[in-house]
Amino acid sequence: QSVLTQPPSASGTPGQRVTISCSGSSSNIGSNTVNWYQQFPGTAPKLLIFTNNQRPSGVPDRFSGSKSGTSASLAISRLQSEDEADYYCAAWDDRLNGLVFGGGTKLTVL
Amino acid sequence: QLQLQESGPGVVKPSETLSLTCAVSGGSISSSGYYWAWIRQPPGKGLEWIGSIYYSGSTYYNPSLKSRVTISVDMSRIQFSLRLTAVTAADTAVYYCARYRTHNGRFDYWGQGTLVTVSS
Repeated sequence: QSVLTQPPSASGTPGQRVTISCSGSSSNIGSNTVNWYQQFPGTAPKLLIFTNNQRPSGVPDRFSGSKSGTSASLAISRLQSEDEADYYCAAWDDRLNGLVFGGGTKLTVL
Repeated sequence: QLQLQESGPGVVKPSETLSLTCAVSGGSISSSGYYWAWIRQPPGKGLEWIGSIYYSGSTYYNPSLKSRVTISVDMSRIQFSLRLTAVTAADTAVYYCARYRTHNGRFDYWGQGTLVTVSS
């Protein structure tokens, strides 16, 4: 049972917009920034969004993040087949004094 | 370009100690503003943060693993290490090392990961 809650799966067709939610509490998302990681099978995760809504250099602007209260969201617009991957949210938890991940969402491009 | 590379045994017997090392190249392990971390991922499952260390030796550990985990840093060898004691099958996972940027904290560089299987 992960501290941050994500839907286990999401899907969309090419060109669509998809959102993935990440629900937490006042001790993690509610008081700290959220990061998102993208992971392809057999490879290490890659930083996709940091500080709630910032994109590292090289990440397409089709990816965007937002945060409100104790929840965060990752949006992927103009969905492409190469976006098919697992997506994880993460945040520091002040109560646990440690970093917590969401359980991950497997995105399928139909 | 910073690179991290995990190394260590691929198989560990139950009740024994898992030991892994992460070699850092292309950058300094003693740079301020960065922690060095271990994260693991059981087969087919999600990511779990194990713990992090600053070059000064300051550490943070996952409370669920704290009693069994030690992370240390060797600046002369430009590497940091993970020790996990009393392993069971539940510790079978791909283990990643990563750099954690403290300002607006995030993992910005990752190693490729190494699979450790706990089996007799």
